[in-house]
Amino acid sequence: SQKIEQNSEALNIQEGKTATLTCNYTNYSPAYLQWYRQDPGRGPVFLLLIRENEKEKRKERLKVTFDTTLKQSLFHITASQPADSATYLCALDMGTGGGNKLTFGTGTQLKVEL
Amino acid sequence: DTAVSQTPKYLVTQMGNDKSIKCEQNLGHDTMYWYKQDSKKFLKIMFSYNNKELIINETVPNRFSPKSPDKAHLNLHINSLELGDSAVYFCASSLGLAGDIQYFGAGTRLSVL
Repeated sequence: SQKIEQNSEALNIQEGKTATLTCNYTNYSPAYLQWYRQDPGRGPVFLLLIRENEKEKRKERLKVTFDTTLKQSLFHITASQPADSATYLCALDMGTGGGNKLTFGTGTQLKVEL
Repeated sequence: DTAVSQTPKYLVTQMGNDKSIKCEQNLGHDTMYWYKQDSKKFLKIMFSYNNKELIINETVPNRFSPKSPDKAHLNLHINSLELGDSAVYFCASSLGLAGDIQYFGAGTRLSVL
């Protein structure tokens, strides 16, 4: 079965720096890879989606890359702010349809310090 | 106006009891899901319904029974609750097509004593 690992459970960085979060998976590459943000006491909120034939996707200060050779996705937050502090989850969608089944990673808790 | 709402937000109960969690979405989506997030924050899918039909059923004990009266509602009933059932349960919905975004509720924190 697919195994997904996200780098370190926690990542602390200084405000203004770029945060880079890693998502590594085994076995087959997903058709889609999604990133979600989860704040304490709340459900995950969608951030970005990247397809298997895309190398990079951007949205404002967020950037996602997808390397199917390395079986890895990187999630970058540039000019990070304390408000970016949250847990970030990557999720794989194999694209088999019939209800898109997402397999989530273990999450990385990001803390942006002043 | 909350897109995916689930009730109750907190549920504290004794071992052996039966309880239900309700979920409703007003996004017009065809597919709804139940996820379980354990104490280590690992989020795992349990069930998925598409237009009231069960399409994903992961390895979940028979004590868990989802019910979808219509495509806007997906309830989760749990019989004979056990200590290990303590977790946060999330409901989500999507259009149900590959690559779709999923919209999550705020979660129900279940504590079994």
